[in-house]
Amino acid sequence: EAQVTQNPRYLITVTGKKLTVTCSQNMNHEYMSWYRQDPGLGLRQIYYSMNVEVTDKGDVPEGYKVSRKEKRNFPLILESPSPNQTSLYFCASSPAWGVGYGYTFGSGTRLTVV
Amino acid sequence: KQEVTQIPAALSVPEGENLVLNCSFTDSAIYNLQWFRQDPGKGLTSLLLIQSSQREQTSGRLNASLDKSSGRSTLYIAASQPGDSATYLCAVPNFGNEKLTFGTGTRLTIIP
Repeated sequence: EAQVTQNPRYLITVTGKKLTVTCSQNMNHEYMSWYRQDPGLGLRQIYYSMNVEVTDKGDVPEGYKVSRKEKRNFPLILESPSPNQTSLYFCASSPAWGVGYGYTFGSGTRLTVV
Repeated sequence: KQEVTQIPAALSVPEGENLVLNCSFTDSAIYNLQWFRQDPGKGLTSLLLIQSSQREQTSGRLNASLDKSSGRSTLYIAASQPGDSATYLCAVPNFGNEKLTFGTGTRLTIIP
């Protein structure tokens, strides 16, 4: 089944403890992206990757890192999580950026930082 | 900067009724427009993708229209069912801006 898989689905952590949220897609998609969703603010892009050679910041990149060593994986790294990073996170992928392509989203990761 | 608005923010209708959800965007330089549904605390499920060159796209009881010149899209749901209760989001990717801009969402409740 074609899908974007995020892990974990739920995570509670303490301030300052480094964590990684994994994202993997099995559709050979070039483009991948991370979003966070907060009440009243909607979905905002954190980082995106056009392909394994190009990664760039979205609208709210502060406090996050990403890497794209392989086409299928795009992990989101929080080096020193803070309570304001408590949110619902989504990974998305698309065959490529641009004309004709829709986006497939993962099931989400609910992160709570205490 | 692209802004996407969805009206109404919330809608409750009796089961069986037909309904229309609206999505407005300020920048018509879009590749396409995608409608999603989101159940509470869950992921986004793609419903329909309508290309910038298309006027309509249909899937089952759902029909999406796109009028780029006026910056509007509608999602028509026929013969609504309780299982249609969810939040519906529209999203557009813009030329020269490598992200999806999402609408504010419409929370739909179908009353049995």
